[in-house]
Amino acid sequence: QTVVTQEPSLTVSPGGTVTLTCTSNTGAVTSGHYPNWFQQKPGQAPTTLIYSTNNKHSWTPARFSGSLLGGKAALTLSGVQPEDEADYYCLLHYSDNWVFGGGTKLTVL
Amino acid sequence: QAQLVQSGAEVTKPGASVKVSCKASGFTLTTFGIHWVRQAPGQRLEYMGWINAGDGRTQYSQNFQGRVTLTRDTSASAVYMKLSSLRSEDTAVYYCARQSLTILGVWEVWGQGTLVTVSS
Repeated sequence: QTVVTQEPSLTVSPGGTVTLTCTSNTGAVTSGHYPNWFQQKPGQAPTTLIYSTNNKHSWTPARFSGSLLGGKAALTLSGVQPEDEADYYCLLHYSDNWVFGGGTKLTVL
Repeated sequence: QAQLVQSGAEVTKPGASVKVSCKASGFTLTTFGIHWVRQAPGQRLEYMGWINAGDGRTQYSQNFQGRVTLTRDTSASAVYMKLSSLRSEDTAVYYCARQSLTILGVWEVWGQGTLVTVSS
């Protein structure tokens, strides 16, 4: 069974930088997994921040960036704002199926 | 502005079926694929399956194979998710999300979610 793993929780100070990662138990994450990253705030639907590893939508704040880092997909937030406190999910593609990570709860403190 | 508008909350009994709709607003549905994702209370997002709204082809996650059916009505600009043989563990918020058909892997806008409660 395919398992995608994320840090359960991270804490960052306002104005700081934090990197969230996304790991696959099948091996290194590549661009062929088309990594997507989503933000979800309590009681709200997810919003898509990053698609296909490092591409931003028109609504994605510039402080969010995606990359591949050491065999993992990564989401970096630079200059964190209080409103970035949320759950973040990664999503990977495997042969006509998609698998979500367990999510990272980001606290801004 | 492109939007996906989902139907309202449902309360249903174990063993029954539920059908949730996802209507396209501000764009042409048939030029996109629509994914379905659910989230049980306090749990992670869980992938259910996908329908190509252009030609009606579907793909389902193995976890839901045989219980979920995705359909489309192009005249209504809507897609539908039917989940059968419901059990209490199916209580969740169900979301639809749009994906580009021209470029693989581009997830875009999401619906607002539909709460389905399964209870006797």
